[in-house]
Amino acid sequence: DQQVKQNSPSLSVQEGRISILNCDYTNSMFDYFLWYKKYPAEGPTFLISISSIKDKNEDGRFTVFLNKSAKHLSLHIVPSQPGDSAVYFCAASSRGSTLGRLYFGRGTQLTVWP
Amino acid sequence: SAVISQKPSRDICQRGTSLTIQCQVDSQVTMMFWYRQQPGQSLTLIATANQGSEATYESGFVIDKFPISRPNLTFSTLTVSNMSPEDSSIYLCSVAGVGLVNEQFFGPGTRLTVL
Repeated sequence: DQQVKQNSPSLSVQEGRISILNCDYTNSMFDYFLWYKKYPAEGPTFLISISSIKDKNEDGRFTVFLNKSAKHLSLHIVPSQPGDSAVYFCAASSRGSTLGRLYFGRGTQLTVWP
Repeated sequence: SAVISQKPSRDICQRGTSLTIQCQVDSQVTMMFWYRQQPGQSLTLIATANQGSEATYESGFVIDKFPISRPNLTFSTLTVSNMSPEDSSIYLCSVAGVGLVNEQFFGPGTRLTVL
């Protein structure tokens, strides 16, 4: 059973516009969430994270929003750049469970075109 | 963050053989993990590699199929034993940063194809 879901396998956005990637989770014990970016032939790269005590975390062009009641989080990239084209994975964990255990979604392929 | 390397980066193997994948980190880390990403699927945790003791396996993964070693705080190996085509995947090593155990950093992965 997939506890972290990314229902959009792909997203295409024009350069300079906003990219919004969505993620839903089912386990109410999750209290820490992460986004990773993955280029072909490379491992996932940590991008940004958010704790459940917050509803927003911002780092430059990247902002993650968390809606705990809806069990939903989203990653906003503004403005989008062609170099942002990659697969984005949402991940979740519970600090009360086995330390470091992450549950991943299946990823969303973002394509930013000029 | 930590710099993580994996060897080999890719391999093509015959059914029934075994392959050992190495993971090297440039600094001592508390926790090391092995993940698998099958085609079109999410990353799935195989096991946590424990330094000086047996690895902790997730449901569906067993030591006989995926033996793991972690002789020190910077190195680990994963062996995929008695391979079948279903083992064709990307295998990834990850580490947890000191003090931030839920933020894991990943190696570049090993792409395995079993014929």
